[in-house]
Amino acid sequence: AQKVTQAQTEISVVEKEDVTLDCVYETRDTTYYLFWYKQPPSGELVFLIRRNSFDEQNEISGRYSWNFQKSTSSFNFTITASQVVDSAVYFCALRHRYNFNKFYFGSGTKLNVKP
Amino acid sequence: DAGVTQSPTHLIKTRGQQVTLRCSPKSGHDTVSWYQQALGQGPQFIFQYYEEEERQRGNFPDRFSGHQFPNYSSELNVNALLLGDSALYLCASSSGTGGQETQYFGPGTRLLVL
Repeated sequence: AQKVTQAQTEISVVEKEDVTLDCVYETRDTTYYLFWYKQPPSGELVFLIRRNSFDEQNEISGRYSWNFQKSTSSFNFTITASQVVDSAVYFCALRHRYNFNKFYFGSGTKLNVKP
Repeated sequence: DAGVTQSPTHLIKTRGQQVTLRCSPKSGHDTVSWYQQALGQGPQFIFQYYEEEERQRGNFPDRFSGHQFPNYSSELNVNALLLGDSALYLCASSSGTGGQETQYFGPGTRLLVL
């Protein structure tokens, strides 16, 4: 069975603080993909990153960084020097390689960045 | 390059009615997936269309049906609406079904069932 858990329902930080959003997943598949999406109040899910299960290199993109650890089935997302525009709901998702684009989403973490 | 578009943006219906939601995929994409996102929850997969056929389905009743047209656009139909069908309905498009593609989501249709 596929499952994604985002234990943090809501996080509040002050601008310029660093914040880490946790994601833990479950799967019996050996090949899979992990994703992070951002959902602003407008509702549209914005793609942030995709990682393959066989590539455990961490990735940095500007203020965003991702830490993928297969040993603990985690794919955590860190925002450095947070900004008010980062306020949104963030979703972690899992997809099996051959599962025709069927995503399993976590319940999301709402990030509030206060000025 | 237009992204994924959906219509209408908002919709109010009453129990027992039927509703049709529409989606146009991103240019170059031929696969459309539909998701239901209840308030405070992550999106739940409804079904996926490719080559005008339903390729995969999530755990949703037959009241939920769909269609894909030759131009790759898609419709989601929900019959006999229930209060619990109130949600944000998201459409996502991608290219092919090989599994490596990234899905791009539209802004969604907010459905309220009274």
